[in-house]
Amino acid sequence: GQQLNQSPQSMFIQEGEDVSMNCTSSSIFNTWLWYKQEPGEGPVLLIALYKAGELTSNGRLTAQFGITRKDSFLNISASIPSDVGIYFCAGQWGSQGNLIFGKGTKLSVKP
Amino acid sequence: DVKVTQSSRYLVKRTGEKVFLECVQDMDHENMFWYRQDPGLGLRLIYFSYDVKMKEKGDIPEGYSVSREKKERFSLILESASTNQTSMYLCASIGSQRGAKKETQYFGPGTRLLVL
Repeated sequence: GQQLNQSPQSMFIQEGEDVSMNCTSSSIFNTWLWYKQEPGEGPVLLIALYKAGELTSNGRLTAQFGITRKDSFLNISASIPSDVGIYFCAGQWGSQGNLIFGKGTKLSVKP
Repeated sequence: DVKVTQSSRYLVKRTGEKVFLECVQDMDHENMFWYRQDPGLGLRLIYFSYDVKMKEKGDIPEGYSVSREKKERFSLILESASTNQTSMYLCASIGSQRGAKKETQYFGPGTRLLVL
């Protein structure tokens, strides 16, 4: 079946550093989504990407939909303590909105 | 803003009890989903529905059933709760924000269920 490989699994960084994480798959997706989840809460959508090659920003966050449609990355610039959480990628396929999720990247930021 | 709400944030139930988890979305979305989230296993799809009274099995439907009597409401039912169903349950719906053309998936805040 389809699988998403998300890396890294976890990151410990200093406040002010830039962060990069990515998701890859052997499958093609028509949409990539990036979510952030804080403890005890549901995932919150950060960025949605709909077209191969698309580069989209949301404040200090930037994400790209890979040209092959099999990968995506998320960058966070100048990290701050409230960036702490688990970041998930999700690839959407089919016409009914089915998603497959990466296992998440746990981000810790040291003030 | 898109709003997906879940009836309970925390639930404690006993083995064998029937459990209802309710999810409501206020954006007229057609597709709704139930996931469970467990450490090390990520998000796993239980059931989804693409229209009223329609339902499709996801990856792990065993031990669960669903009900979609109205477009805005999608219920997950544990007929006889077991301890291995202790988990975080997340509801989601897919659709567009008002005025936007593209669809995306929005999550509720989650229900943390403990089965004793």
